[in-house]
Amino acid sequence: SQELEQSPQSLIVQEGKNLTINCTSSKTLYGLYWYKQKYGEGLIFLMMLQKGGEEKSHEKITAKLDEKKQQSSLHITASQPSHAGIYLCGADPDRGAQKLVFGQGTRLTINP
Amino acid sequence: EAQVTQNPRYLITVTGKKLTVTCSQNMNHEYMSWYRQDPGLGLRQIYYSMNVEVTDKGDVPEGYKVSRKEKRNFPLILESPSPNQTSLYFCASALGLAGTDTQYFGPGTRLTVL
Repeated sequence: SQELEQSPQSLIVQEGKNLTINCTSSKTLYGLYWYKQKYGEGLIFLMMLQKGGEEKSHEKITAKLDEKKQQSSLHITASQPSHAGIYLCGADPDRGAQKLVFGQGTRLTINP
Repeated sequence: EAQVTQNPRYLITVTGKKLTVTCSQNMNHEYMSWYRQDPGLGLRQIYYSMNVEVTDKGDVPEGYKVSRKEKRNFPLILESPSPNQTSLYFCASALGLAGTDTQYFGPGTRLTVL
């Protein structure tokens, strides 16, 4: 079965600094999703990547899917307190599986 | 506003007392799903539904039931809750295929079974 490993598990950065979160899959990724979760709350959809080499940006967040489609990175530029939360990557484990499998999450803390 | 709603948001109950967590979406999505989130185990799928009257088991279906009588609603039923069902539950919906179309999640229901 497919597994997603996120690194780091937690991250504390100074406000204004850049940061990167990685998501590595044990199998080829057919669709990779990034979500953000405030502690104990719902998941907010950030971005979806499907093609190898694809890169998408939304405000100060950029996500990439590598050419071999087994790793994705999420990069935040000039971090702000509003970026704090848990970032989860999710993937379709097999075409037609009708579910997403998720990484364990990366807890991001932004210090003022 | 397009959204997935869940009720209740918080629930404390006792072992064996039947309960239902409701889920509703207003996006005319065909696909709906239930996940539970536990520390160290992450998010795991309980059940999903591809359309009205079509449901199937996910990875952890034991102790749960679902129904899909209307397109917009997908309730999760715990016939006889046990403490190991204490968890944070999420409902999700997508336009069509789970892996192709973006899944939108509800705000979560925090369930405690004593």
